[in-house]
Amino acid sequence: GAVVSQHPSRVICKSGTSVKIECRSLDFQATTMFWYRQFPKKSLMLMATSNEGSKATYEQGVEKDKFLINHASLTLSTLTVTSAHPEDSSFYICSAGLQRGGRNEQFFGPGTRLTVL
Amino acid sequence: GEDVEQSLFLSVREGDSSVINCTYTDSSSTYLYWYKQEPGAGLQLLTYIFSNMDMKQDQRLTVLLNKKDKHLSLRIADTQTGDSAIYFCAESIANTGNQFYFGTGTSLTVIP
Repeated sequence: GAVVSQHPSRVICKSGTSVKIECRSLDFQATTMFWYRQFPKKSLMLMATSNEGSKATYEQGVEKDKFLINHASLTLSTLTVTSAHPEDSSFYICSAGLQRGGRNEQFFGPGTRLTVL
Repeated sequence: GEDVEQSLFLSVREGDSSVINCTYTDSSSTYLYWYKQEPGAGLQLLTYIFSNMDMKQDQRLTVLLNKKDKHLSLRIADTQTGDSAIYFCAESIANTGNQFYFGTGTSLTVIP
């Protein structure tokens, strides 16, 4: 149980276009989902925390108008990279939060590799 | 913000034990986690430890927690080539709404 999917797994786009990445919790409901960005050989940088039915909370330095997050249901959150530029190329990972036995857990999607030409 | 540090690289021979270390700065952590990331993939939870425990063993994995020194380690016994990956420690901190703070990651290379 507790499977999280991401779609697409890879995307290549031209500079100036927008790209939408979906994150789904397949067999559980997630009130909270998280979006991370990972640079090569680097740790995960939390971009934003997404709560179902409310606005996302963005970390300092993350442009909310560039990285649009929508969490319309308890099983789906989307990240849209608007007007993408080559510096937005990265590995984007989502996770879905779940409380189990009083412990907070995060279950991670497999990631989306974005390349902006 | 919270600082979680790890050494970047570790190489071991197949069959030896690997020890991956992690230090953190916030003493109000509730749980600490170890995740494994294989190339091009997401993160897989390996194990976790509650902050009031000092040791947890799970098959080939042993987690040691020294809360006084804010030091966490993951020992992998009988390391195999399939263990080659990046390992992240992470902590969840009380009253942060399930937010995790990740370490910098340790790239483990197992030499056959």
